[in-house]
Amino acid sequence: DAGITQSPRHKVTETGTPVTLRCHQTENHRYMYWYRQDPGHGLRLIHYSYGVKDTDKGEVSDGYSVSRSKTEDFLLTLESATSSQTSVYFCAIKGTTTNEKLFFGSGTQLSVL
Amino acid sequence: ILNVEQSPQSLHVQEGDSTNFTCSFPSSNFYALHWYRWETAKSPEALFVMTLNGDEKKKGRISATLNTKEGYSYLYIKGSQPEDSATYLCAFNYGGATNKLIFGTGTLLAVQP
Repeated sequence: DAGITQSPRHKVTETGTPVTLRCHQTENHRYMYWYRQDPGHGLRLIHYSYGVKDTDKGEVSDGYSVSRSKTEDFLLTLESATSSQTSVYFCAIKGTTTNEKLFFGSGTQLSVL
Repeated sequence: ILNVEQSPQSLHVQEGDSTNFTCSFPSSNFYALHWYRWETAKSPEALFVMTLNGDEKKKGRISATLNTKEGYSYLYIKGSQPEDSATYLCAFNYGGATNKLIFGTGTLLAVQP
């Protein structure tokens, strides 16, 4: 199994509070991704990173920011959480070769009340 | 707007039945088509990454074909077993080397013993 750890696994927070989710990998992979999973939708890309300090937006980036200060960690921040951000968040990683498969973390269930 | 469609949405079969699902994707700017298997309470796991028109991939009782000109891929499961019960996701790579994926909403397969 790919070494990906997401933390926390579950979080309940209130509207308007900041929240940071962490993805940690031990594979030294270049690419890291944050997806969200909602009923009726496929996994949707929030942000991704192609190297340390190199990040870009995905399909549903509004309300989210990311940071990658070292290869192994990719942080997703909700600056001011809203109820529409209640979701399951998945981190994924990929090596350097084009068209490699993604390896997914176990997910973080976030509830914003 | 890029869209990936999967059908059927769900499927119930008996143990031993063979089955197949469809994934439709844009036929332009094609880089790759991914298939993932997602069991309940686990993370998605890659089955195949397909890049060439006419490609066929096989893993045990599961196989997939790819038609990039008309924009579809089929996933086949021969002799379904209860352990095949899962959601099967396809994803279209629209980002090239960055591997940005658009996921379909999946086909939920339930195999009755």
